[in-house]
Amino acid sequence: AQKITQTQPGMFVQEKEAVTLDCTYDTSDQSYGLFWYKQPSSGEMIFLIYQGSYDEQNATEGRYSLNFQKARKSANLVISASQLGDSAMYFCAMREQNTGRRALTFGSGTRLQVQP
Amino acid sequence: NAGVTQTPKFQVLKTGQSMTLQCAQDMNHNSMYWYRQDPGMGLRLIYYSASEGTTDKGEVPNGYNVSRLNKREFSLRLESAAPSQTSVYFCASAQGLSGNTIYFGEGSWLTVV
Repeated sequence: AQKITQTQPGMFVQEKEAVTLDCTYDTSDQSYGLFWYKQPSSGEMIFLIYQGSYDEQNATEGRYSLNFQKARKSANLVISASQLGDSAMYFCAMREQNTGRRALTFGSGTRLQVQP
Repeated sequence: NAGVTQTPKFQVLKTGQSMTLQCAQDMNHNSMYWYRQDPGMGLRLIYYSASEGTTDKGEVPNGYNVSRLNKREFSLRLESAAPSQTSVYFCASAQGLSGNTIYFGEGSWLTVV
């Protein structure tokens, strides 16, 4: 069964610094996608970045990059130049593409607080 | 383009009451999902529908029923609400497998007292 693990319940970072949020996953599927979502206090799920299991390059979207290490089964999110508006919950998720229900499985999340 | 629309946004129920959460998408997606999110936790899959006319259980289906009325709509019903069902409920839809093809509604806050 697929599983996502986020070991950091909470993280603090100073404004303008970079921060890495950890995510490890477990799957027997060879084809899968990895996602990061941001959930601000208002509650909506905001898509940040996607990495396919066959993508050779690490995904980047503006200040967000995904450090994908397939052999280690890790998909860490790196936020560069943190801003106060980055304070939120962050969820790592995986979607298997060949087996099962092809739904997203989520980790328990990391609460990021950006300090001025 | 409305995307995924959930109603109601907020609801308070008494234990034992029934209610239906409605979800509609206007993107012609085949797959639709219902998740719940409890405090301090990630989203957990309740039910999903891979296509019109089909539904299957997810990780936490007990106490819920679903109906895929047509391709656009996927409803979640609580027949006899319990305090343990107090949660935030998210509907999502998807088309295709690769890339960001999953779209979420804004969430429905349900409290059972």
